[in-house]
Amino acid sequence: KQEVTQIPAALSVPEGENLVLNCSFTDSAIYNLQWFRQDPGKGLTSLLLIQSSQREQTSGRLNASLDKSSGRSTLYIAASQPGDSATYLCAVSYNDMRFGAGTRLTVKP
Amino acid sequence: DAGVTQSPTHLIKTRGQQVTLRCSPKSGHDTVSWYQQALGQGPQFIFQYYEEEERQRGNFPDRFSGHQFPNYSSELNVNALLLGDSALYLCASSGVGERDTDTQYFGPGTRLTVL
Repeated sequence: KQEVTQIPAALSVPEGENLVLNCSFTDSAIYNLQWFRQDPGKGLTSLLLIQSSQREQTSGRLNASLDKSSGRSTLYIAASQPGDSATYLCAVSYNDMRFGAGTRLTVKP
Repeated sequence: DAGVTQSPTHLIKTRGQQVTLRCSPKSGHDTVSWYQQALGQGPQFIFQYYEEEERQRGNFPDRFSGHQFPNYSSELNVNALLLGDSALYLCASSGVGERDTDTQYFGPGTRLTVL
C-alpha cells in the first residue's frame, strides 16, 4: 500500500530565504508526482507535475525533483515571499492519487 | 473560462441524513475525481468517473456513491451520514485539452458538517 510522508509538518522562515520541502513515498511504481498548494479552507492549486520518466520540473521560483528509485521528491522555493505562505501537498499517482498530509509554510515579512 | 466549480459551498446535516454534492469540471475536461479531506490531513481519494462510469474507487464504504452526466458534471452522494463524514469534499477534473492530461484541477470544495 502506497504511503506518502511529508517532512517537516510545519516550517516558518523569514522572507527571502530559499527553502526545501520533502516528500517520500513507499512504492516506486508511480505514473507521476504532483505538488499542490492549498490556502486555508480552499481547494488545491497544482504547482508542478513530474512524470515518472522525468527528474525535475521548474516553474518560476519553484523547482521540483523526483528520485523514483529512492522514493523521494523535493520542492525547492527560491527567495520566499509572504505570499508563499500556505500548505504544500505532494501526491503520487498510480491506480489512484495518494496525498501526504502537507507542510504548512509560513513566510514572515 | 470557468475552472472547476462546486456547490454548495457549505452544508450542515445531521446524523443519518443523506447529502448530494455537485461538481462541474473545467471546460474540455472529461474525467472527474472526488476526494475527502479531514481537517489537518491530505485529501483521500473516493472515486473517479470517466464516460459516465466509475473507473476507480478508493477505500470508502458503499454509503458513498456518485454519478457522472453526459455533460461531464458529477454528483457525490453520501447516505446515512456519520459524524466522521464531516470534511472538505474536493472535486478535481482532468482530461484532453490540457498540455498535460494528467494534471488535476481542483475546485474550491464543499465544507460538510455533520451534527
